[in-house]
This record gives sequence, C-alpha cells and structure tokens, in this order.
Amino acid sequence: DVKVTQSSRYLVKRTGEKVFLECVQDMDHENMFWYRQDPGLGLRLIYFSYDVKMKEKGDIPEGYSVSREKKERFSLILESASTNQTSMYLCASSSRDRGRETQYFGPGTRLLVL
Amino acid sequence: RKEVEQDPGPFNVPEGATVAFNCTYSNSASQSFFWYRQDCRKEPKLLMSVYSSGNEDGRFTAQLNRASQYISLLIRDSKLSDSATYLCVVNSDNAGNMLTFGGGTRLMVKP
Repeated sequence: DVKVTQSSRYLVKRTGEKVFLECVQDMDHENMFWYRQDPGLGLRLIYFSYDVKMKEKGDIPEGYSVSREKKERFSLILESASTNQTSMYLCASSSRDRGRETQYFGPGTRLLVL
Repeated sequence: RKEVEQDPGPFNVPEGATVAFNCTYSNSASQSFFWYRQDCRKEPKLLMSVYSSGNEDGRFTAQLNRASQYISLLIRDSKLSDSATYLCVVNSDNAGNMLTFGGGTRLMVKP
C-alpha cells in the first residue's frame, strides 16, 4: 500500500524561527513535491525534486528551500518563518514512469506562525 | 487566466441526486487528466483517471473533451459520504511529471 508520511500534523512556530518539515515515502518514487494549500488559492507548488540531490523551483519558492539527500526523503525548510507562511503543507510523490503520473499525498502539516 | 478552472460551489444536493462538475484547462498539450477527492482537513486522494474515451467507476463517470478543453465528473445516486471537495487535475509538462490542480468544487450531499 502506498505511503507518504509527514513528520508533524500540526506545528506552531514563532516569526523568525527556522522550520523543518519532513516527508518520507516508501514507494521508491523518483519524484517528490511540496505544496501549500490555502483557502481560495488551491494547491500551489513550492518545490519539487526528480531525483536525489536535484531540486527545481515551483510557482512560489520564495522564503523556502528544500533538501533531498536520500531518495525516500524530501525536506522543506522555512529559513525564517513569517506569518504569511501559515498554511497547510502537503508533500506528494510520484513515479517517473509515463503511465503512472498520479501523485500520492501525505496527510499534511498545518503550520501556524505567530 | 488560471490553468485549470473549476466552479468552487458549493453544490448542495439531496441524497440520490445526480450531480455533474465541469473543469476547463488552458494547456492544449496536456495529456493526462485526473479527478481527486479531498475531504475536509485531509489530503487529496485520487478518485479516478480520465481517459479520452470516457470512463466509469461505479457511480462515477468521467469525460474528456479535448476540442473544448474540458473535463467532467458525473456522480449518480449521491451518498452522504460523497460530500467532499473534488479537484480537477491536469498534467502540465511534457515529461508528465508535473500536475496542475484546479481550486476544487465543493459538494455537500444532504439527507
């Protein structure tokens, strides 16, 4: 059974703190993604990775960085958290095979920045 | 213009009703299409892929119209448990790795 896990379901941080969100998948997927989801704005892609040590900017990378040191793990880093980064963060993974583009999501992390 | 557009709803329907959602996409080169379902405060989950010839999965029917660049989802005999947000999803790069999500259509099925 497909599984994507995220390190925390809920986080509360203060402005200026460094925040790490971890995502792990057990499906040997090449592709991993970080999105944020906000009411009225839908899912927006922050960063993605096609392979270990590779990363590409998505639509809204400002204020974020990522790390992919192992195939199964993709980390999202907020260098200095700000209140406008309060959001639901969703990690997803997918296979690179042409016929399997479906993305599988983790349960999400609700981040509140005070 | 958004790449994938959906009516946000909500669609309020009684149990047993038939309801249809449409979605339009702007990238004519898109090759893959999906409907995802997202329950309140949960992650999106794949409901069904959408094939060129249309496809059915139980009470759910998906259709694709490439000429007009729209996708539809029909739900027959609505159940209370169908209440959720339905996301229209389109692949957005030539390699097929990237997906673009619509904003979702909220469905509420009432007793």
